[in-house]
Amino acid sequence: DAMVIQNPRYQVTQFGKPVTLSCSQTLNHNVMYWYQQKSSQAPKLLFHYYDKDFNNEADTPDNFQSRRPNTSFCFLDIRSPGLGDAAMYLCATSRAGGGGGTIYFGEGSWLTVV
Amino acid sequence: LAKTTQPISMDSYEGQEVNITCSHNNIATNDYITWYQQFPSQGPRFIIQGYKTKVTNEVASLFIPADRKSSTLSLPRVSLSDTAVYYCLVGASNYNQGGKLIFGQGTELSVKP
Repeated sequence: DAMVIQNPRYQVTQFGKPVTLSCSQTLNHNVMYWYQQKSSQAPKLLFHYYDKDFNNEADTPDNFQSRRPNTSFCFLDIRSPGLGDAAMYLCATSRAGGGGGTIYFGEGSWLTVV
Repeated sequence: LAKTTQPISMDSYEGQEVNITCSHNNIATNDYITWYQQFPSQGPRFIIQGYKTKVTNEVASLFIPADRKSSTLSLPRVSLSDTAVYYCLVGASNYNQGGKLIFGQGTELSVKP
């Protein structure tokens, strides 16, 4: 059974029209991450949450926002998508402590901007 | 965070053993080495993780020399379905010690019949 679930898998939005991608997890992990992956590139970390503590990467554009209303859910909001924001967006989770350290990824949400 | 360097691409044939080496010269004491596999249009999937010496699971082996400045992922007897991108990541296994993971460029492995 999927442990990190992303919705929708495919999203088409118009240039400048806000879009929200969602992620839910059944692992009860403290940490949730959002990565952006463009074609033929490695995933790039946008930001992550440790519980409710939000940590933004220095080079993440202001256009990208996130919300984490509870442990299980996390949202990625793109306020005004541009053509350059077309990518696969990956949600991932991990435990905060106790060793292991494996990050579990969802299957990704593909965003197309037209 | 330790930077990783891997070959951009590798070719192999079915049934061969494939070894992918990753360099991480500035690895920190708390850092573990983790390898992920990613198929097109899917999220990365955990393969193996280690700290030092050798780790083996049902899928792969991970060799880490004493100085830990590099690591080698070994895939025994690859098949066509092993064609994927393989990422080497270095970071603390415990988030409280700095556990966020940054991806390097990855190695695109192509397995041919």
